[in-house]
Amino acid sequence: SSELTQDPTVSVALGQTVRITCQGDSLRTYYASWYQQKPGQAPVLVIYGEKNRPSGIPDRFSGSSSGDTASLTIAGAQAEDEADYYCNSRDSSATGVVFGGGTKLTVL
Amino acid sequence: EVQLVETGGGLIQPGGSLRLSCAASGIIVSSNHMTWVRQAPGKGLEWVSLINSGGYTYYADSVKGRFTISRDNSKNTLYLQMNNLRAEDTAVYYCARLRDYFGSGSYPAGCYFDYWGQGTLVTVSS
Repeated sequence: SSELTQDPTVSVALGQTVRITCQGDSLRTYYASWYQQKPGQAPVLVIYGEKNRPSGIPDRFSGSSSGDTASLTIAGAQAEDEADYYCNSRDSSATGVVFGGGTKLTVL
Repeated sequence: EVQLVETGGGLIQPGGSLRLSCAASGIIVSSNHMTWVRQAPGKGLEWVSLINSGGYTYYADSVKGRFTISRDNSKNTLYLQMNNLRAEDTAVYYCARLRDYFGSGSYPAGCYFDYWGQGTLVTVSS
C-alpha cells in the first residue's frame, strides 16, 4: 500500500484563495481526485483526474499537480466551502485505493 | 438518477458477523467497479474493498481474511460480509462507485468515486 499526506487543518479568509495539498509516492504515477465532506454527509467529488470538475461543482475549485504533490485550490473561498477535504489515488499496487488523512478547511 | 442505499448496520459484539447491503438504482452494479469505504467516528476515509466489473475482488490489509465483498446481479445489489468484527471496525460504511480515469492514454491514470450512498453505521462493542 502507500500513503497520502495532507495538512490536518487549513484556514482562509472569506473571499481569499486557499490551496490544500496532498503528497505521496503514488502521485508520481496516478492523478489525485478530491472530495468535500460536510458534517453528517457523504463525501462529494469536486475534482477528478487531477483537474476535471464534475458538473455542478463551482469553477472556483481547481486541481493541479507537480511531482509527488497534488493541490486543490479554491479561488475566492465562500462560507459554504468550510468542510473536510480528502484526496485519493490508486495505491502503489494499482489494485487498491488510498485516501489522504483529510484537511479541515475553516473559512474565517 | 443514481441512488445507492446501504442497509444492515447496527450494534454487534466483538467477534460477531454482519452483512451490509447496497441497493443500486440508475447504474448496473455488475458493469461497474463497486467499493466499500468506511469512516470511523471523527476520523478520515478508509478504502475497505473493491469488486471490479470483471468480478475480481480486492481488500485493504486491515480487513483481508475477515471481510468478503460480493454482488447479486439479479438484485443489482452489492454486499459486504463482515466476520470476526473488532472494535476498530466501528465506522460509517459507504458504498460508492469507483471509476478509472484514463486521461489521454489507454491505461488508468487515476481513479475517483463519483456516486456515494448515505452510509450505514456499524458499532462493534460489548
